[in-house]
Amino acid sequence: KAGVTQTPRYLIKTRGQQVTLSCSPISGHRSVSWYQQTPGQGLQFLFEYFSETQRNKGNFPGRFSGRQFSNSRSEMNVSTLELGDSALYLCASSLGSEVGSPLHFGNGTRLTVT
Amino acid sequence: KNQVEQSPQSLIILEGKNCTLQCNYTVSPFSNLRWYKQDTGRGPVSLTIMTFSENTKSNGRYTATLDADTKQSSLHITASQLSDSASYICVVSARSNYQLIWGAGTKLIIKP
Repeated sequence: KAGVTQTPRYLIKTRGQQVTLSCSPISGHRSVSWYQQTPGQGLQFLFEYFSETQRNKGNFPGRFSGRQFSNSRSEMNVSTLELGDSALYLCASSLGSEVGSPLHFGNGTRLTVT
Repeated sequence: KNQVEQSPQSLIILEGKNCTLQCNYTVSPFSNLRWYKQDTGRGPVSLTIMTFSENTKSNGRYTATLDADTKQSSLHITASQLSDSASYICVVSARSNYQLIWGAGTKLIIKP
């Protein structure tokens, strides 16, 4: 069974630009969540989608948005990039049930904003 | 406020030694507690998930304990190996809204 796939693996953007990151979950998984991780920081939750609906949202500005398609694939968009947006962005998928449903993470997209 | 605190922040031990990592939480209502291992530059990998009724769970050389009364968990690593060098993250799920509360992690370094 293929794991969670995130593309691209690395990305370099200029301040003010926008970026779209993609995540393909494990087949059969209906929940996709996104996290930001900066050096020395824990994972910061961005948002979670379940069956194309945003189920939870973290405390990030509106520049960060996402969506999920009918095939459970998800995209995350960041507009008007700032230097502080440089981070590892991780996507995780799960079956979506509340109990006993582990998250399966991709290896992330490393975004560098210059 | 729902919070998860881990200690120590970092730990260095010699290969072959045992170690224990701690996790205290204030999440309510509690659903489950998870431990993840994250290698540098990679996504976290699930080690264990424990619900309210489970107080011990093992995964190879990793053994997690949960005391729901004191809201504490520990992750014990036996006979450490160089490949155990990683960050270990404690995550608690709130029953009310599927929300996961993440700890900042413990960075473990195993020295030969």
